[in-house]
Amino acid sequence: SFDLTQPPSVSVSPGQTASIICSGSKLGERLASWYQQKPGQSPVLVIYQDDKRPSGIPERFSGSNSGNTATLTISATQAMDEAAYFCQAWDKRTVLFGGGTKLTVL
Amino acid sequence: QVQLVQSGAEVKKPGASVKVSCKASGYTFSDHYIHWVRQAPGQGLEWMGWINPFSGATRYAEKFLPGVTVTRDTSLDTVYMEMTRLKSGDTAVYFCARDRDYPGALDIWGQGTVVTVSP
Repeated sequence: SFDLTQPPSVSVSPGQTASIICSGSKLGERLASWYQQKPGQSPVLVIYQDDKRPSGIPERFSGSNSGNTATLTISATQAMDEAAYFCQAWDKRTVLFGGGTKLTVL
Repeated sequence: QVQLVQSGAEVKKPGASVKVSCKASGYTFSDHYIHWVRQAPGQGLEWMGWINPFSGATRYAEKFLPGVTVTRDTSLDTVYMEMTRLKSGDTAVYFCARDRDYPGALDIWGQGTVVTVSP
């Protein structure tokens, strides 16, 4: 079966670049999306169709997808970016989520 | 504005059923699939299923078959998720979310409904 794997945690210093990866067999042949979720809140879509940003999402959020890995990159990371991030893709008309990555800004 | 508003928190006993509603507004209801996603305490997102509000067609994650049914009422622009034979492991926050352009990304999320299953 098709699975999406993320590292449980990533740490970054304020102002630096954070990269969060999502791995899956031939993931690059599918479209990947990314969601940000802060404690007690609903998820928010930050990247869709591999690299597109919804309106209202800051330009410091970017995405790429190739081979077996999709990557969410956050440039000039701010304290407000501290959150859990989930990748998502489709498999045979069903939705899959990665296990999530907790981004700590310290 | 485009939004999904869910029904309030529920407390149920094991073996009972629960039905959560998700009312859409600000867009044409039949134009976008609606998904249900749950999140157990301290855990990740788990996809449950989707419904095509136009046709009523549904698709579920195997894990939730049988036991979960998603329906819609087009006169009310509302989608429902019913879960039967609840267990303590079903304690979670249940979200509805709109599909941007099936099969696409989930671009609008409801506020979540807490379902607690406890004796």
